Amino acid sequence: QKEVEQDPGPLSVPEGAIVSLNCTYSNSAFQYFMWYRQYSRKGPELLMYTYSSGNKEDGRFTAQVDKSSKYISLFIRDSQPSDSATYLCAMKDNNFNKFYFGSGTKLNVKP
Amino acid sequence: GAVVSQHPSRVICKSGTSVKIECRSLDFQATTMFWYRQFPKQSLMLMATSNEGSKATYEQGVEKDKFLINHASLTLSTLTVTSAHPEDSSFYICSAREGPVATNEKLFFGSGTQLSVL
Repeated sequence: QKEVEQDPGPLSVPEGAIVSLNCTYSNSAFQYFMWYRQYSRKGPELLMYTYSSGNKEDGRFTAQVDKSSKYISLFIRDSQPSDSATYLCAMKDNNFNKFYFGSGTKLNVKP
Repeated sequence: GAVVSQHPSRVICKSGTSVKIECRSLDFQATTMFWYRQFPKQSLMLMATSNEGSKATYEQGVEKDKFLINHASLTLSTLTVTSAHPEDSSFYICSAREGPVATNEKLFFGSGTQLSVL
């Protein structure tokens, strides 16, 4: 079983839709959770960083962490064609100097 | 957010030559940097963890003599692909962790280097 599971998609939505991206994990020691956006042939860009369970909002983006279910989500409101990219979740615990990444979900927002 | 600069962005070389990729943290000190490799439509594959002033820790299956990592300062890590062959062609990405251990676990990435070995 992988440490982090993420549906690879692709996910195709019309412009203006609400997008929900999700990851599940198996290691209950994970405490730091991140979402990255990666455009083709570019390095991942940090979108959201959370430490605790609950919601964190930044503009059109909301990150949600449910540690009891080992489930994290990224919501994108009013999605734009420029949001079309691959979204990677990442997480880490306190014990090891290593980050674990999901396989990435490819999102396509159609004009 | 913090900025990580990676150069070159693209390199084409002949088989048998060595290629050096630089990764710099521009506005923060990075005690730890990570090197990843990414194949088309796949996620990041961790190659090695680079700690300033010490030897890098390589993941299983990654040849340390093939992929030389140097982290001589708190702002610079380099990856040298020695005697490159076509199978080494890939997208290489570095990342740096901002902050000391267990206080801030944000990870920032460079823009990546596309290596093509002819």
